[in-house]
Amino acid sequence: KAGVTQTPRYLIKTRGQQVTLSCSPISGHRSVSWYQQTPGQGLQFLFEYFSETQRNKGNFPGRFSGRQFSNSRSEMNVSTLELGDSALYLCASSLGHRDRVYEQYFGPGTRLTVT
Amino acid sequence: GNSVTQMEGPVTLSEEAFLTINCTYTATGYPSLFWYVQYPGEGLQLLLKATKADDKGSNKGFEATYRKETTSFHLEKGSVQVSDSAVYFCALKDSNYQLIWGAGTKLIIKP
Repeated sequence: KAGVTQTPRYLIKTRGQQVTLSCSPISGHRSVSWYQQTPGQGLQFLFEYFSETQRNKGNFPGRFSGRQFSNSRSEMNVSTLELGDSALYLCASSLGHRDRVYEQYFGPGTRLTVT
Repeated sequence: GNSVTQMEGPVTLSEEAFLTINCTYTATGYPSLFWYVQYPGEGLQLLLKATKADDKGSNKGFEATYRKETTSFHLEKGSVQVSDSAVYFCALKDSNYQLIWGAGTKLIIKP
């Protein structure tokens, strides 16, 4: 079974621009979660999508948004980029059983650098 | 609120040394606890878990025991290998079905 794939793997953007990251979950998985990983803040939960609906949301500003398509692929968008948005963005997929949220499979991440 | 605190890294050990990575948590109730590992260039993988007090999770020679009285879930391994070099994350599952993460501890094993 193919794992979670994320594209692109690396991105360099300028402050004020916007960016879209993509995540393809493992076949059969209906839940996709997004995380931001930085040296200072560690891993922080952005949001989770399940069957095209946002089911859970972390504490991030509205500049961060996402969506999920009918094939479970997900995108996240960051508008008006700030230097502090530089991070590794991780996507994780799972079957979607909430009490087994730990059974997530992570992709390798997209490294975003904002200059 | 809920939080997870891990010992700061990097932790540098020689091959075959004994490993302990400390993890303590703050949470209401009795959350499930987890250790994840992130190898260089890869995504996180679930290493082990414990769902109730006194449970011991184990995998690949790693162990961690859920200690309610000390709110801890320390990761241990008796004899580390170079291939264990990675970043280790402690996490808990909160009542909103979210994972709350520690900051991660980088482990470097020297041959």
